Amino acid sequence: EAGVAQSPRYKIIEKRQSVAFWCNPISGHATLYWYQQILGQGPKLLIQFQNNGVVDDSQLPKDRFSAERLKGVDSTLKIQPAKLEDSAVYLCASSLRRTGGAIGGYTFGSGTRLTVV
Amino acid sequence: GQQLNQSPQSMFIQEGEDVSMNCTSSSIFNTWLWYKQDPGEGPVLLIALYKAGELTSNGRLTAQFGITRKDSFLNISASIPSDVGIYFCAGLNYGGSQGNLIFGKGTKLSVKP
Repeated sequence: EAGVAQSPRYKIIEKRQSVAFWCNPISGHATLYWYQQILGQGPKLLIQFQNNGVVDDSQLPKDRFSAERLKGVDSTLKIQPAKLEDSAVYLCASSLRRTGGAIGGYTFGSGTRLTVV
Repeated sequence: GQQLNQSPQSMFIQEGEDVSMNCTSSSIFNTWLWYKQDPGEGPVLLIALYKAGELTSNGRLTAQFGITRKDSFLNISASIPSDVGIYFCAGLNYGGSQGNLIFGKGTKLSVKP
């Protein structure tokens, strides 16, 4: 089974620029998550989709971050404008069921490492 | 919000030694998960625990779901160099519309050959 695909792997931008990340989950996984992992920390949820609907975006900084999953498959996360503190690894994960717990958790992609200078 | 306290922050051990790390929470979870993250990669699931008191093994790894549902520990026996990495605990409460993982800050493991 193919894993969660993310691109790009690395991105360096200047502050106030915009950036977009792409994620293609495991085929058939209805739930998709975007996590932000700051250096030295554990991942923190930004947004959760169930098919193409948003389930939880309570921790998404909506003044600058946006995400969509138009056809219920792949997803994009955008930051506009970027700040220095947005430097982090952005991880996408997917799970088969809505909660993900009963089947052993989520499958994560390799992430996109963003550096804002 | 919910927070997980994971300890120790880092460990330097000799190959062949056993390792123990734990995670505590101020609130209860339905599920505890342990992940390992290698540099440049996403977290990979090691063990999932679904029931209070549950003790589960995966090769040299053993994890337990605390009976209070507020803690979990992970043991690694007879460590080898490829065990190097960052280990994260994560708690999950599922039900309704929520299902996001709450992660600890990680335990960085270094193994000296």
